[in-house]
Amino acid sequence: GENVEQHPSTLSVQEGDSAVIKCTYSDSASNYFPWYKQELGKRPQLIIDIRSNVGEKKDQRIAVTLNKTAKHFSLHITETQPEDSAVYFCAVTGTASKLTFGTGTRLQVTL
Amino acid sequence: DVKVTQSSRYLVKRTGEKVFLECVQDMDHENMFWYRQDPGLGLRLIYFSYDVKMKEKGDIPEGYSVSREKKERFSLILESASTNQTSMYLCASSLYIGGLRGGYTFGSGTRLTVV
Repeated sequence: GENVEQHPSTLSVQEGDSAVIKCTYSDSASNYFPWYKQELGKRPQLIIDIRSNVGEKKDQRIAVTLNKTAKHFSLHITETQPEDSAVYFCAVTGTASKLTFGTGTRLQVTL
Repeated sequence: DVKVTQSSRYLVKRTGEKVFLECVQDMDHENMFWYRQDPGLGLRLIYFSYDVKMKEKGDIPEGYSVSREKKERFSLILESASTNQTSMYLCASSLYIGGLRGGYTFGSGTRLTVV
């Protein structure tokens, strides 16, 4: 089945700095790459996604980039704020048509 | 507001008990999923269902079964609970099985402790 690796497992940045989280996947036929944010004690929620026919997508301070050749994609958060502190999960939809999640990155934005 | 509701937020059960975790969605979604969430392991798929009475094994189905008798309800069953099933269980539903066009909507989770 699909294998998704996510790095780093924890990330601490100062408020205003940028944060980057990277994921690699194994199935070259994968076609959909969402990112979920889970705040402490809350449910995961979709924050941005990208399809395989697009290289980059932006939504205000967050962006996702996809490199299909290298089979990796990244989440970029600019001008980080304390409310960005959460666990972030990447995910991949492969040939089995179901979402496989990464292991998560705990982002801490410090003042 | 769309909702996925899990019946219990916290559960404590004894080893060997049969445990039922219930999930109800009000979005008329065809697809429903059960994940377990453990620190450092992310979200791992236990079972999913793409239609009433249909079920498919996920990545870690051992020790679990599911039931989907109605479109809006998806139940996870631990046939004989063991301590290694202590975890956070998350239910989700989606319009498309791969999550396109709106992604997955998750419930708030059930934290199960098996003693």
